[in-house]
This record gives sequence, structure tokens and C-alpha cells, in this order.
Amino acid sequence: AQSVTQLGSHVSVSEGALVLLRCNYSSSVPPYLFWYVQYPNQGLQLLLKYTSAATLVKGINGFEAEFKKSETSFHLTKPSAHMSDAAEYFCAVSEGNAGNMLTFGGGTRLMVKP
Amino acid sequence: DTGVSQDPRHKITKRGQNVTFRCDPISEHNRLYWYRQTLGQGPEFLTYFQNEAQLEKSRLLSDRFSAERPKGSFSTLEIQRTEQGDSAMYLCASSLSIGTKFETQYFGPGTRLLVL
Repeated sequence: AQSVTQLGSHVSVSEGALVLLRCNYSSSVPPYLFWYVQYPNQGLQLLLKYTSAATLVKGINGFEAEFKKSETSFHLTKPSAHMSDAAEYFCAVSEGNAGNMLTFGGGTRLMVKP
Repeated sequence: DTGVSQDPRHKITKRGQNVTFRCDPISEHNRLYWYRQTLGQGPEFLTYFQNEAQLEKSRLLSDRFSAERPKGSFSTLEIQRTEQGDSAMYLCASSLSIGTKFETQYFGPGTRLLVL
């Protein structure tokens, strides 16, 4: 069965600092992995996805993530935080079953200090 | 492409009442998904449709929950005899499935339900 663990329910960084949001997954098959962002009272927006091509995936708004099979990780990074990055971030995994249903982690709220 | 839309955006109801939510997917998308998100948690998969066929419904939370997609376009999610524990955000997503290629799910803004 697939599962996702996001370490740190809250992360605070200063504007301009490195953003690192951690995600570890469990999957019985090669997974598909995703990062979504959710702004208050809105739905989820896809940041980036890994679907077995390049292990370093670049997404929107300067975010990227690296798939590390040996560590079962898919951490999200951004070199320099912006105030507009403050939001909730969700890591998700799919094994391609049940119509490619997504299993989400509990989320990490990113706060950006001026 | 106007994105996935959901109606209503907010619903307040009394315990024991029935509620129905609507989702309109991106027009050419053949798959439609329902998820539930409780406060402080990630979304939880409920069910999905391929065109009008509901291919997975074992994860619906109880027999009080049901979903339809009668013409393979919009979908409705109904909760009968609501309970306070049903208070949550209900998210709809859609995707275009072509062969074995993994497709991206696009989410709507959600319907926030409060059961008093």
C-alpha cells in the first residue's frame, strides 16, 4: 500500500532563504510522485511531478524536487523564498491503481518571514 | 478551458439533513475524482469515474455517501443524514486518461461543508 510522510507540519523561513520541505513515501511499485500547493480557501495546484523520467524535476515558481529511490524521498526545494510562497504544501504518491488515485501526506505549512 | 468548478463553495447544514455537491470537470476530461480534506490533513481519496462508470467506490466513507456522473460530464456527491464528523472540504479533480500515460489531476476550489 502506498503512503506519504511529510516531516514538519510547519516550516518557517526568512524571505530569500532556502526552502526545504521533506517528503518520504512508501510504495510497493515504482511510484509517481507529486507536490501540490494550496492557498487559503482554494483547491490544490500542481507544482511538479515525477513520472519515472529525470530524477530531478523542475516545477513552477522556481520549485524543484529530486527523486531518491534509495532514500524513498522526494523533497521539495526552492533556492530563495518569496513572501508569496507562504501556503500549505502537499506531497502525494500514486501507484497507478484505482484510476491513479493520489495518496497525500499530512501537509506542511510554509511561513515566510520578511 | 475554465478549470474544474464546484458548487456550492460553502454549505452549512444541520445534522441529519441531506446535502448534494456538484462538480463540473474540465470539458474534455474523462476521469473525475472526489476527495475529502479535513482540517489540518491532506486530501483523502473517496471515489472516481471513468466517463459515466464509477470504477472505484470502496473508499467511500460509509453507505451514507454516494456519487453519480450520469452523462459522463458533471458529477454529484451526496451525503445522507449528515453527521458533525462529515464537516470537511470536499474536493473534485479531473484528468484526461489516454492509454497508459500517467495523467495529471486538476483540482477544483472545493466545497466546504459545516454540519451543525
